[in-house]
Amino acid sequence: AQTVTQSQPEMSVQEAETVTLSCTYDTSESDYYLFWYKQPPSRQMILVIRQEAYKQQNATENRFSVNFQKAAKSFSLKISDSQLGDAAMYFCAYSLPNFGNEKLTFGTGTRLTIIP
Amino acid sequence: EPEVTQTPSHQVTQMGQEVILRCVPISNHLYFYWYRQILGQKVEFLVSFYNNEISEKSEIFDDQFSVERPDGSNFTLKIRSTKLEDSAMYFCASRWPWGTEAFFGQGTRLTVV
Repeated sequence: AQTVTQSQPEMSVQEAETVTLSCTYDTSESDYYLFWYKQPPSRQMILVIRQEAYKQQNATENRFSVNFQKAAKSFSLKISDSQLGDAAMYFCAYSLPNFGNEKLTFGTGTRLTIIP
Repeated sequence: EPEVTQTPSHQVTQMGQEVILRCVPISNHLYFYWYRQILGQKVEFLVSFYNNEISEKSEIFDDQFSVERPDGSNFTLKIRSTKLEDSAMYFCASRWPWGTEAFFGQGTRLTVV
């Protein structure tokens, strides 16, 4: 079974600084998807960024970027120029392609605090 | 922007009672999911639903749980006889046919007392 591990239960960063959240996963598959979801205090799950395993180029979305190391099964999220609105729980997630029926397997999350 | 809508946002129920959680997925999505998050823990997959039948379910999704799409727009999760350990946040999600991104609703907090 696939597992996703987030080893940092909590992280904090000064506003405007950069922070990196770690994620590792275990799979025997070669084709899969990886995601970072944000869960603010409102509790809604919001997609931050996604990565297809067959793509070597790291995904970026504005201030958010990933460092995808397929051989090491590592998928870290870098947040640049941190803002107060970035404070949230961040979940790393994994899914296998299955003709649209891809279920997500989540890590335990990292709580990110932004220090003004 | 289209969104997944869940009602109610918070439901309190007595142990042993039946509860129905409702979701309106994004209109042209075809794959639907329920996930559960016990307070302070990770989000767990419960069930996926496609073409009016369950595609996959987790071991959490036992005979006390059921899902249906009664009218082509709503997607419901029923818990027949609630237990204290069913207290959690329940998230509905939906997905494009061939996409990889699941859109989540804002969740229903279920409290069993």
